[in-house]
Amino acid sequence: LAKTTQPISMDSYEGQEVNITCSHNNIATNDYITWYQQFPSQGPRFIIQGYKTKVTNEVASLFIPADRKSSTLSLPRVSLSDTAVYYCLVYRFKTIFGAGTRLFVKA
Amino acid sequence: NAGVTQTPKFQVLKTGQSMTLQCAQDMNHNSMYWYRQDPGMGLRLIYYSASEGTTDKGEVPNGYNVSRLNKREFSLRLESAAPSQTSVYFCASSEAGRGGSPLHFGNGTRLTVT
Repeated sequence: LAKTTQPISMDSYEGQEVNITCSHNNIATNDYITWYQQFPSQGPRFIIQGYKTKVTNEVASLFIPADRKSSTLSLPRVSLSDTAVYYCLVYRFKTIFGAGTRLFVKA
Repeated sequence: NAGVTQTPKFQVLKTGQSMTLQCAQDMNHNSMYWYRQDPGMGLRLIYYSASEGTTDKGEVPNGYNVSRLNKREFSLRLESAAPSQTSVYFCASSEAGRGGSPLHFGNGTRLTVT
């Protein structure tokens, strides 16, 4: 099963751009890369998904290099409400979550 | 649109008791999943169901059983609860069990086993 590696935690300030990188060296040809956000006492929420190059939606961008062995979630101009745990998944049938990255946004 | 609904929200059991956690989705999704999340940890997959009529083990299936009752409902049963099963349990669904189908989660069941 594909495994991912992310930083355990990150700190930022309001208004800054935050980039969280995920390593997935053994990604397979058919795998998608998906990011989720989780607030305390809630289930994870889908943020963005991509297969290659760059994907952008109303909340984030996802950058995937040509070799697809890593990906970077970019959150523009974070606010206090973006404090959460962010999970990177390489989608396989059994959808395994890693420990995620705890992002703490300070005022 | 309710999405994924889990019941109950909270439960306290004594060691050895049994219970069933219920999950229902109204998005006509084919695949459903059960995860557990221990304090400060990531989610671990217990069981999943790729489609109605099929189930398969995840990372941590011991001590649990599941039933895919129909396309909408996927239940998780603890036959003899143990303190190590104290956790938050999340149910999720996706349109299809393959890339390109994001997971939709419920709000969890908080289970304490004393």
